[in-house]
Amino acid sequence: QKEVEQNSGPLSVPEGAIASLNCTYSDRGSQSFFWYRQYSGKSPELIMSIYSNGDKEDGRFTAQLNKASQYVSLLIRDSQPSDSATYLCAVNLQAGTALIFGKGTTLSVSS
Amino acid sequence: GAGVSQSPRYKVAKRGQDVALRCDPISGHVSLFWYQQALGQGPEFLTYFQNEAQLDKSGLPSDRFFAERPEGSVSTLKIQRTQQEDSAVYLCASSASMGAEAFFGQGTRLTVV
Repeated sequence: QKEVEQNSGPLSVPEGAIASLNCTYSDRGSQSFFWYRQYSGKSPELIMSIYSNGDKEDGRFTAQLNKASQYVSLLIRDSQPSDSATYLCAVNLQAGTALIFGKGTTLSVSS
Repeated sequence: GAGVSQSPRYKVAKRGQDVALRCDPISGHVSLFWYQQALGQGPEFLTYFQNEAQLDKSGLPSDRFFAERPEGSVSTLKIQRTQQEDSAVYLCASSASMGAEAFFGQGTRLTVV
């Protein structure tokens, strides 16, 4: 079982809609959780970090963490065409270990 | 520097040639990660350092791959006797401490011909 799982997509939403991206991880001891955005031909860019159960909001982005169910999600409100990218979930599986990435979910926002 | 810097940005190597890829992390960042990213895939973990100590190299695909960070700052990923399957983007990231937010460099695109 892969340690960090994401649906590859593509996820297609119309402009102005809410995009919901999901990620599950295998290790209950995981400590830190991150969402990165990657445009084609560019390197990953950090957009959200979350460390404790619940929601964390930053502008149009909300990260949600549920450690009991071992999932983390990212909601993008009022989606814009410029949000079209691949979204990568990354997890520190246990304290002192490396950051492991999922394969990413491709989001397409149509105008 | 202001961000993570990688060089070269692009490298074309003939099969069998040795290459060295450099990563200059954000000043003061103790953790440094190397990843390999194939087209359409997420970054695959290669190795990571805490200061000069290489704490995990489980992701290095073969003994042709070697990484070092001798003074706990700049890191070099070396690939010996390159093969076509080594063609990928190699990404470096650094973070202020273990578990903290990690920031990526621009990557090095390696093409083995």
